[in-house]
Amino acid sequence: AQSVTQLDSQVPVFEEAPVELRCNYSSSVSVYLFWYVQYPNQGLQLLLKYLSGSTLVKGINGFEAEFNKSQTSFHLRKPSVHISDTAEYFCAVSDNPGRGSTLGRLYFGRGTQLTVWP
Amino acid sequence: NAGVTQTPKFQVLKTGQSMTLQCAQDMNHNSMYWYRQDPGMGLRLIYYSASEGTTDKGEVPNGYNVSRLNKREFSLRLESAAPSQTSVYFCASTRRGGNEQFFGPGTRLTVL
Repeated sequence: AQSVTQLDSQVPVFEEAPVELRCNYSSSVSVYLFWYVQYPNQGLQLLLKYLSGSTLVKGINGFEAEFNKSQTSFHLRKPSVHISDTAEYFCAVSDNPGRGSTLGRLYFGRGTQLTVWP
Repeated sequence: NAGVTQTPKFQVLKTGQSMTLQCAQDMNHNSMYWYRQDPGMGLRLIYYSASEGTTDKGEVPNGYNVSRLNKREFSLRLESAAPSQTSVYFCASTRRGGNEQFFGPGTRLTVL
């Protein structure tokens, strides 16, 4: 089973500052990696995903993440945050099911609450 | 396309009562999942159904049962609710060969 660690439970930042939300996972086998965002009282929305290829992945709302296989990390970054980015962010990992196979279960981290102050 | 829908949105139960949470998807997805979300715990998998007619336990199945009624619907049943089952429940689905799970809006359940 996979294990996902989000190193910070809370990250407060000021508007227009850069932010990095850290995520490490346990397995060194081939994996798929995801970041989801959850706005208050809403469901989960996919921000970005890494399946293969370039290690720098760009997502919605100006977010990007970098896959580092040697460090088993998938940190999320944004160069300049906005108040509307205030939300909870979840890192998730799935074992790579192989070409043409269906994504299996997701393993989630405990979440990082990003709060952007004016 | 409504995507993944869940009913009800909110529910309050007394200890020992039973209820069924409903989930449906209109994307012709094969696999469906039930998660629970608790503060500081992230999302944990309760049960999943890789395809119609199959179900498997996830990380926290105790106290729950599921039914994959057909390809569209995957229900979660609490036979005798306990306060420890107070949580937000999310349903998700994935298409065959897909690499992304799509989530419903959630059901907020309180057990008194």
